[in-house]
Parts: sequence; C-alpha cells; structure tokens
Amino acid sequence: SFVPTQPPSVSVAPGKTARIPCDGDNIGDETVHWYQQKPGQAPVLVVYDNSVRPSGIPERFSGSNSGNTATLTINRVEAGDEADFYCQVWDIISDHVVFGGGTKLTVL
Amino acid sequence: QVQLQESGPGLVKPSETLSLTCTVSGGSISRDSYYWGWIRQPPGKGLECIGSVFYTGSTLYNPSLRNRLTISVDASKKQFSLKLSSVTAADTALYYCARQIGGAPDWYFDLWGRGTLVTVSS
Repeated sequence: SFVPTQPPSVSVAPGKTARIPCDGDNIGDETVHWYQQKPGQAPVLVVYDNSVRPSGIPERFSGSNSGNTATLTINRVEAGDEADFYCQVWDIISDHVVFGGGTKLTVL
Repeated sequence: QVQLQESGPGLVKPSETLSLTCTVSGGSISRDSYYWGWIRQPPGKGLECIGSVFYTGSTLYNPSLRNRLTISVDASKKQFSLKLSSVTAADTALYYCARQIGGAPDWYFDLWGRGTLVTVSS
C-alpha cells in the first residue's frame, strides 16, 4: 500500500517558520490531510484536502501538495505548537486510510 | 456539538477478542456524509487506521487486520463497535473512534474521541 514518509523530527525557533514534509511517489496526485497531536491528547485535524483549514485552526497553519512532497507550514511558531504531526492519505488500491509515521515538532 | 466516547475493557488476555464501542452524542450517526472509524496508536508510536463503518453496515477494513476484524453499527443506539480477535501483545494500544468524512478518495477524520487504552496481557 501507499505509505507516506515523514522525518521523525523537525526543530524550529519561536517566531520562525516550520515546514513539515510528507513524501511519496507522485503524492501530488493524492489528497493529503494533516493532524496535530499534543502529548496526552487525541489528534486534531489542522489541514484537510491539501490546503484547507478547519474552523478554529489559526491562519498560521497552511498546507501545500505538489510533485513528490506535501508540506505542512506553520508560520510564527509558538511554544504551544509543539506536538506530533501526521499526514494522511487514502490508499486507493486497498481502500483504506494510511497515515505517515509522524513528525515531532520541537520548538527550541 | 457532536461528541464521541469510547468504552470497553482496558485489559484483554492473549488469544481472546478485543471489543470496544463508540457512542455518538449530539448528532445523528445516520448521515450519508459520514463513515465512523477506529484508529489505534501503540504506546510511543504512530497512528494506524483499523477500519470504518457506514450507518447501513457497509465497511472499509485495513487489509492487514481484515481477517481478525469486525466493525458493526447500531444506528438506533447511535453506537458503532470494534471486535478484534486472536489478540497479541502487539495489539496493545490507545484506541480512538472518529468521524470519517470527505468521500473516496478524500476520506479524513474531522472529529475524534478521547481514546481508550487497551492492554493485552495475561
């Protein structure tokens, strides 16, 4: 099945921009969704359909998807953004949801 | 607003069947827009989608779990359930129920329960 690849960790200083990649062959042809999971909490949807923010998600969060990489971008990173982030796609061959391995965002 | 709540035993013996129920409150389970899904997360690891069910009973299963898995729905009770047979320690995880939306091939989960920890141990 199609399993997207994420780096285990990304670090960024407060106020800077964090970019979290989600890689896969021609992932730009797929629709990618993103979740944020803070310690001890359930995941929260932060971007769906590649680039759409759900109600209540700050504008600092944005998504893009092209070629072999989808990217979650977080502008003006805050300490409270520290979390695990997961990308997710639909595996059209086996008809089920597939998550990337997750990326831990550390705010320095 | 719609809320989901998982319930079931927190401890299951090896080789037995894990059974969980998710109760939907604050909204209807019988909507054409939604599937209702189960996701698990082993301690310290990532997310794995188990499968999901439509209010009519139609299911979508993770192929790697299909031969041990049954997901069903009771729309009258606004509940859907997970049964995973022949469990081993590898099935120890935090189990989440969630609302699945979007439609193939763009399914995603927009609403999650808080999760329930299931440990497989004798």
